[in-house]
Amino acid sequence: KAGVTQTPRYLIKTRGQQVTLSCSPISGHRSVSWYQQTPGQGLQFLFEYFSETQRNKGNFPGRFSGRQFSNSRSEMNVSTLELGDSALYLCASSLYSGVQETQYFGPGTRLLVL
Amino acid sequence: AQSVTQLDSHVSVSEGTPVLLRCNYSSSYSPSLFWYVQHPNKGLQLLLKYTSAATLVKGINGFEAEFKKSETSFHLTKPSAHMSDAAEYFCVVNGASGGSYIPTFGRGTSLIVHP
Repeated sequence: KAGVTQTPRYLIKTRGQQVTLSCSPISGHRSVSWYQQTPGQGLQFLFEYFSETQRNKGNFPGRFSGRQFSNSRSEMNVSTLELGDSALYLCASSLYSGVQETQYFGPGTRLLVL
Repeated sequence: AQSVTQLDSHVSVSEGTPVLLRCNYSSSYSPSLFWYVQHPNKGLQLLLKYTSAATLVKGINGFEAEFKKSETSFHLTKPSAHMSDAAEYFCVVNGASGGSYIPTFGRGTSLIVHP
């Protein structure tokens, strides 16, 4: 089975712009979660989508949003980019939604905001 | 509320010696606990998980962890380190409140393996 894929792998934007990141889960997985990884804050949970519905949400401002399509692919959008949004954004998929679910991570999208 | 503390930011061992990566957690619920490994420029990979079954959990690549509720710990061990074990390791706690949850990651422990 193909793993979780994320596009693009690298991205450079300027402050004030918006960005959309894409994640394709493992075939058959219905849950997609997004994480932000920075040297200062570590790995932080952004949100989870399951069957096209947001199930859980971390403590991030409304500039961070996402959606999931009927084929379970997910997109994450960040509007009005700030320098502090520079990070590695990781997507993870799992079969179902739940605290016991094993998540399978993609390689990440590295975003640099100038 | 929940939190996780990885007690060492760096651990350095010689190849062939035992590995111990320490993790303490705090949770108001009965959490699931995970250890993930991240190699440079790669995504995270699950090593093992505890989900309220056996307290001693065996994972991939010879790693294991023991859930100790009285000590609120979930330390990761391996009897003999290999050069390929050099990576960043994350302890994760995940407990539900009213059907919702936020996986909480530790800050990570960098494992350095010397020849």
